[in-house]
Amino acid sequence: LAKTTQPISMDSYEGQEVNITCSHNNIATNDYITWYQQFPSQGPRFIIQGYKTKVTNEVASLFIPADRKSSTLSLPRVSLSDTAVYYCLVAVRQTGANNLFFGTGTRLTVIP
Amino acid sequence: DAGVIQSPRHEVTEMGQEVTLRCKPISGHNSLFWYRQTMMRGLELLIYFNNNVPIDDSGMPEDRFSAKMPNASFSTLKIQPSEPRDSAVYFCASSLVTPGQGWPREQFFGPGTRLTVL
Repeated sequence: LAKTTQPISMDSYEGQEVNITCSHNNIATNDYITWYQQFPSQGPRFIIQGYKTKVTNEVASLFIPADRKSSTLSLPRVSLSDTAVYYCLVAVRQTGANNLFFGTGTRLTVIP
Repeated sequence: DAGVIQSPRHEVTEMGQEVTLRCKPISGHNSLFWYRQTMMRGLELLIYFNNNVPIDDSGMPEDRFSAKMPNASFSTLKIQPSEPRDSAVYFCASSLVTPGQGWPREQFFGPGTRLTVL
């Protein structure tokens, strides 16, 4: 089974860049690595996903090395509203099934 | 679109009772997922459907849990009998999966049902 590891928590000041890394092994070769954001009492919300190298959208960047054993979510110039828990989501191909595993989550606190 | 709709938002029940959680996915989505979130175990996939057919139920804890998707716009997760250890937030999510476009696709989560079993 895939084992995903993320730092439990991180603090950052407003305006700084934040990088959150998720370590994962045994993930499916051809499946996406996805990141979600979750606020209290809400469901997770999609941020970004990628297969390899680097992906960038309007809110974040995702860096995936060639071995795909980790991925790094980069949030540029964070604001107070970015305080949330961030999860990586990976897929593991098992016999007869595709299974999805969320990481343990990283609680980001943005400080004024 | 109203997004993924879940009901009830909160459910308190006594051990041994049957609990039914409901989900309406986003119109046009063809995949539906049920997750459970607890402090101890985090977010866990219980089951997912593609085109109303259960594809992977390996995350369903035991026979007390069952899920159905009778049509594209409705799914239920049933726990019978419920136990205190089933207390958690249960999320439903939906997605549009197109063959050949990669897996998993972006999932849209509902607000969750907070279940408390006394």
